[in-house]
Amino acid sequence: EDQVTQSPEALRLQEGESSSLNCSYTVSGLRGLFWYRQDPGKGPEFLFTLYSAGEEKEKERLKATLTKKESFLHITAPKPEDSATYLCAVLVMEYGNKLVFGAGTILRVKS
Amino acid sequence: DTEVTQTPKHLVMGMTNKKSLKCEQHMGHRAMYWYKQKAKKPPELMFVYSYEKLSINESVPSRFSPECPNSSLLNLHLHALQPEDSALYLCASSPNRDTYSNQPQHFGDGTRLSIL
Repeated sequence: EDQVTQSPEALRLQEGESSSLNCSYTVSGLRGLFWYRQDPGKGPEFLFTLYSAGEEKEKERLKATLTKKESFLHITAPKPEDSATYLCAVLVMEYGNKLVFGAGTILRVKS
Repeated sequence: DTEVTQTPKHLVMGMTNKKSLKCEQHMGHRAMYWYKQKAKKPPELMFVYSYEKLSINESVPSRFSPECPNSSLLNLHLHALQPEDSALYLCASSPNRDTYSNQPQHFGDGTRLSIL
C-alpha cells in the first residue's frame, strides 16, 4: 500500500504555463512534509518543509501548500530551468522517524 | 553547491573488488544517512547513524558495511557486490534524529556506482 502518492508521474509545460504537482499521503502522525528537486545525476535538493495543515512556503516561482491529506507544489510561469524531478517525502514517527518518499513527478518545461 | 560532499563521483568495480564511498559534512549535523537510488525511482534508505552510532540498518546485505569515524564523516565499504547493486548512492545529513526532530535532510550529489 502506497503511503505517499505523487501525481502526475510526468508533466510537460510550455514556458509561462502555470500548473500544480500533487502529493497525497495516507500516513497518520505526520511530523513533516518535505519537497525536493532532483536534477539528473544529482542528489535531491531541499526546497521546502511544511509542518501543519494550512501552512504555505514560497521560493521564487514555487509555492508549497499543505492540507491534512495532501500537499501541492504550485509552479507559476515556469522556465526551462525548472525542469527536474520533484520529490515529496513525509516524516512519520511510526516508521522510526524515517523519510518515506513518493515516486516523484518529472517536470519538463519547453521554451 | 551542496554542503554534503561525496567522493568519488563515479566508481566502476568488479564483483571481487573492495572499495569505499566517502561522505563529509561540516554543518555540525549529528545524523547521517546512506540511501540507494535506482534509475527513475525514489531514494531507498539503507543506514542511519545518529551521534556516530548505527541506529537503523534496513536489512541491507552484509556486502555493504557502513562506518562513521566521527561526526563529520561517513563511509560505505563495499565488497563482493553484484551487478544489481549498480545505482546512485546518496549520503544525507540532518541536525539530529532525536525523537521529536523533524528537520530536513540535506543530500550530497551521490556516487554513481557500476558493477561489472
